[in-house]
Amino acid sequence: EAAVTQSPRNKVAVTGGKVTLSCNQTNNHNNMYWYRQDTGHGLRLIHYSYGAGSTEKGDIPDGYKASRPSQENFSLILELATPSQTSVYFCASGDDWGGAEQYFGPGTRLTVL
Amino acid sequence: SQLAEENSWALSVHEGESVTVNCSYKTSITALQWYRQKSGKGPAQLILIRSNEREKRNGRLRATLDTSSQSSSLSITATRCEDTAVYFCATDESGSWQLIFGSGTQLTVMP
Repeated sequence: EAAVTQSPRNKVAVTGGKVTLSCNQTNNHNNMYWYRQDTGHGLRLIHYSYGAGSTEKGDIPDGYKASRPSQENFSLILELATPSQTSVYFCASGDDWGGAEQYFGPGTRLTVL
Repeated sequence: SQLAEENSWALSVHEGESVTVNCSYKTSITALQWYRQKSGKGPAQLILIRSNEREKRNGRLRATLDTSSQSSSLSITATRCEDTAVYFCATDESGSWQLIFGSGTQLTVMP
């Protein structure tokens, strides 16, 4: 069965600190995605990747970097965390055709103090 | 602006009743998907309906798609308490791998 896992599940960070959120998928999907979810905004795309070594900017990339070192792993990096980045972050994987289903991880709740 | 949007913030029904969530979108699409997100979990796809389809069923769920009015609906019959969740529609711009999600409709099914 398709599986996307995220770590950590909960994280408290200090303003100005570096935060790395990790995602692993066993679906062998080429595409992976990072979203954040805030009340009233639904899911907003931060970064995505077409495969190992590639990262692309989504709709709200400012303040975030991404890394895709392998087919299975996709990381989201906050170099200088700010309170406005407090949110729930979801990773997803999907096939590389238009409109393909995306499989989501359980989410990471990040609080920046 | 949102490419896809549900038409209600919240709905509540009693168990056994039927309910419909509506969605409107703004571009030509390859497919429209409905996702459900239960509290504390990631979204999970319920139904994918392609642009050349008008209706799709999955158990108690029925999705319709009207490309002329750029709208879709998700109907749930014989609702159960475990159907309580946020329901999202999601669309792509034709050929794009990127999905655009609506803000979601909170459905509460009461005993």
